[in-house]
Amino acid sequence: NAGVTQTPKFRILKIGQSMTLQCTQDMNHNYMYWYRQDPGMGLKLIYYSVGAGITDKGEVPNGYNVSRSTTEDFPLRLELAAPSQTSVYFCASSYPTEKETQYFGPGTRLLVL
Amino acid sequence: RKEVEQDPGPFNVPEGATVAFNCTYSNSASQSFFWYRQDCRKEPKLLMSVYSSGNEDGRFTAQLNRASQYISLLIRDSKLSDSATYLCVVNKGTGGFKTIFGAGTRLFVKA
Repeated sequence: NAGVTQTPKFRILKIGQSMTLQCTQDMNHNYMYWYRQDPGMGLKLIYYSVGAGITDKGEVPNGYNVSRSTTEDFPLRLELAAPSQTSVYFCASSYPTEKETQYFGPGTRLLVL
Repeated sequence: RKEVEQDPGPFNVPEGATVAFNCTYSNSASQSFFWYRQDCRKEPKLLMSVYSSGNEDGRFTAQLNRASQYISLLIRDSKLSDSATYLCVVNKGTGGFKTIFGAGTRLFVKA
């Protein structure tokens, strides 16, 4: 199993550009998440999904959109990049059980200039 | 007040030392607790769950005090490879979207 994979690893965007961060998991997990991590800060939940076709906002959803058409894929869309979106983005997945260990992808480093 | 608070450190310790990290959480209804480890420029990975009775995994011991809303992680006989950031993680309820990550405590183990 590859686990959770993310592409790209690193990207530089100009202000106002758009991009999609890709996330795929092969563990048949129902739950998937997108987090951002700023230096010295904890992970902040952007969006999450409890299954294909179902998504909901997390703590910091503004400026982002998601879709979940399959169990495996959970792309994150940035429509109009802003410098405040410079961060490291992690995708994660888990089973919907009580313990809910989250498995993270390797992250995407995004720099908006 | 942050929902999950940790001492950011860094903790600088020699190999073989014992080091303890603390974490406090604000929501008394929190249901499950974890420690994750994050290496520099890498993704977080589960280190261990924290059970009410306390639990041990090799050199690592986790404790939970619900009355004080306090979690701890003890590392004995520190190794160079233990150098990382340790994240305290709290679930406010069932559902990963209720998971709150602390900002982490950095540990450097020196030879």
